[in-house]
Amino acid sequence: KQEVTQIPAALSVPEGENLVLNCSFTDSAIYNLQWFRQDPGKGLTSLLLIQSSQREQTSGRLNASLDKSSGRSTLYIAASQPGDSATYLCAVSSDSGGGADGLTFGKGTHLIIQP
Amino acid sequence: NAGVMQNPRHLVRRRGQEARLRCSPMKGHSHVYWYRQLPEEGLKFMVYLQKENIIDESGMPKERFSAEFPKEGPSILRIQQVVRGDSAAYFCASSRAGYSYNEQFFGPGTRLTVL
Repeated sequence: KQEVTQIPAALSVPEGENLVLNCSFTDSAIYNLQWFRQDPGKGLTSLLLIQSSQREQTSGRLNASLDKSSGRSTLYIAASQPGDSATYLCAVSSDSGGGADGLTFGKGTHLIIQP
Repeated sequence: NAGVMQNPRHLVRRRGQEARLRCSPMKGHSHVYWYRQLPEEGLKFMVYLQKENIIDESGMPKERFSAEFPKEGPSILRIQQVVRGDSAAYFCASSRAGYSYNEQFFGPGTRLTVL
């Protein structure tokens, strides 16, 4: 059964720093991996989608990498801003997840950017 | 292009009542997924539906929970005889196609509180 782990569970850094969020998954036979952002009491905003054949995706100050063979992904946030404060979720699509077409989520990294 | 819509955003029920949660997918999307987020837990897949068909309900509790996606109208997640443990945020997502490599887009969620 697919399991997704995110480290660290919480992170607090000063504004302007570059930071890395980590995600690992137990079954490397995935179709894709998505990074989401969730603000308190809100829904999920999709940040980046990496297909299993890809190594990385970039959007603005965000860069996500995927190493499928080792079961790892990282989300790199450059020049962090207070508006980046949120919970970041990693999710994978795989046949060994909770459902054949459902995503398996990690518990998230709660990020606080100090002004 | 409106995103995934869910209503109500907040729902309060007393134990034993029924809860109906609605989800309208993005325009052009015919595949709907329901997820549940319990307090301090990650999101868990519940059910995957296409129009008039339940494709995968492996994440649904065996009793009291049902889902449908009729030919016309929104998808509905129905919880009968709610209990306090049903209190959670319920998220709906949609995708253009049901293949596992398709990106899922999430709605704002319905927060159910059972008194």
